[in-house]
Amino acid sequence: NAGVTQTPKFQVLKTGQSMTLQCAQDMNHNSMYWYRQDPGMGLRLIYYSASEGTTDKGEVPNGYNVSRLNKREFSLRLESAAPSQTSVYFCASRAKSITGTSGSWGTDTQYFGPGTRLTVL
Amino acid sequence: GDSVTQMEGPVTLSEEAFLTINCTYTATGYPSLFWYVQYPGEGLQLLLKATKADDKGSNKGFEATYRKETTSFHLEKGSVQVSDSAVYFCALSNSGSARQLTFGSGTQLTVLP
Repeated sequence: NAGVTQTPKFQVLKTGQSMTLQCAQDMNHNSMYWYRQDPGMGLRLIYYSASEGTTDKGEVPNGYNVSRLNKREFSLRLESAAPSQTSVYFCASRAKSITGTSGSWGTDTQYFGPGTRLTVL
Repeated sequence: GDSVTQMEGPVTLSEEAFLTINCTYTATGYPSLFWYVQYPGEGLQLLLKATKADDKGSNKGFEATYRKETTSFHLEKGSVQVSDSAVYFCALSNSGSARQLTFGSGTQLTVLP
């Protein structure tokens, strides 16, 4: 299993250009996430998809759009890149939680891809 | 909202020294708590986790105990190695169906031989 894969690894854009970051997972996970990592700020959630066919905004969604193409793939699109979007982008996935008569439990563990380093000039 | 406060870095230690990285959190309900590690040029890897109060997570000589009374999840290792040099992130997972992670700002650890 490759786990979570991301393409490209590096990208340089000019202000106003568009691009799509690709993410795929082969672990049959239900939930997928996009984070950005900036110095001194940890990781912040951009968008997530709790299950195939659904997407929701995270903490910092402005300037981004996402598509959950199928269960495996979750892409992040920058329609008009800005220098403030210079960052390292990480995709992650998580298995489905199990809900029973005692409540909901199951894995909370997210598995991360290697990241895409994006520079917007 | 949920938040995680992590010890400011960077931290520089000599090999075989004792390591503590402090982490405290604010959250409603009963979150799960995590430590992730990021080696240079790589993505994040789960180091250890704890899902309820008084649980101790452990892996590769690292330990952390979920302390609800002090809302803390401090990372410790008795004897660090050069290969432990990395950035360490404390995180919590909320109780919603999406299990979003809220991260601390990260602590850079450098271990010198």
